[in-house]
Amino acid sequence: DAGVTQSPTHLIKTRGQQVTLRCSPKSGHDTVSWYQQALGQGPQFIFQYYEEEERQRGNFPDRFSGHQFPNYSSELNVNALLLGDSALYLCASSPTTLTRSRSSYEQYFGPGTRLTVT
Amino acid sequence: GQNIDQPTEMTATEGAIVQINCTYQTSGFNGLFWYQQHAGEAPTFLSYNVLDGLEEKGRFSSFLSRSKGYSYLLLKELQMKDSASYLCAVRSRDDKIIFGKGTRLHILP
Repeated sequence: DAGVTQSPTHLIKTRGQQVTLRCSPKSGHDTVSWYQQALGQGPQFIFQYYEEEERQRGNFPDRFSGHQFPNYSSELNVNALLLGDSALYLCASSPTTLTRSRSSYEQYFGPGTRLTVT
Repeated sequence: GQNIDQPTEMTATEGAIVQINCTYQTSGFNGLFWYQQHAGEAPTFLSYNVLDGLEEKGRFSSFLSRSKGYSYLLLKELQMKDSASYLCAVRSRDDKIIFGKGTRLHILP
């Protein structure tokens, strides 16, 4: 059973460019969340997708956008890159159950994409 | 506002016990997570507490007091491989997961 996968592993971009990061959730998971983690900090919630719609959003500008596909995979797009966007971008997937049982709250993280903006 | 506090760094000795504390102030509470993160790697799930009390899982235990906005992660029989960052995260009322900055734990031989 494959866990959460992300691509690419590493990426170097220059200021002003645009980037797309990809995530495939763990089998059986339908909810995908994206986080930004700066060096030495905890992950910061960007947004969450469920049923192909953005369900929750953190305090990130509109330059950060996303998409979820029918197969539950997801993309994170960042436009007009800034130096401060350099970080590890983590994708996490979780199942959603009607009963909201304990197991539905477990989140599994992918290995992340290390983005460097120069 | 949302605030999660945990110590920045801690040091402990191999074979000993260490307790990592976490206090939180969030808009509602739907559960508290602890994650372990080794340098350069993704966080891995350790525990999830919804109700008050202690939950034990092998060498790791997690405690929650909702009335005090307080949790701790207890690591017993420390091993060198436990050197990592430990992240406390709270699921708020609107289902957002808010992470603390993490506690870097150093294990000395």
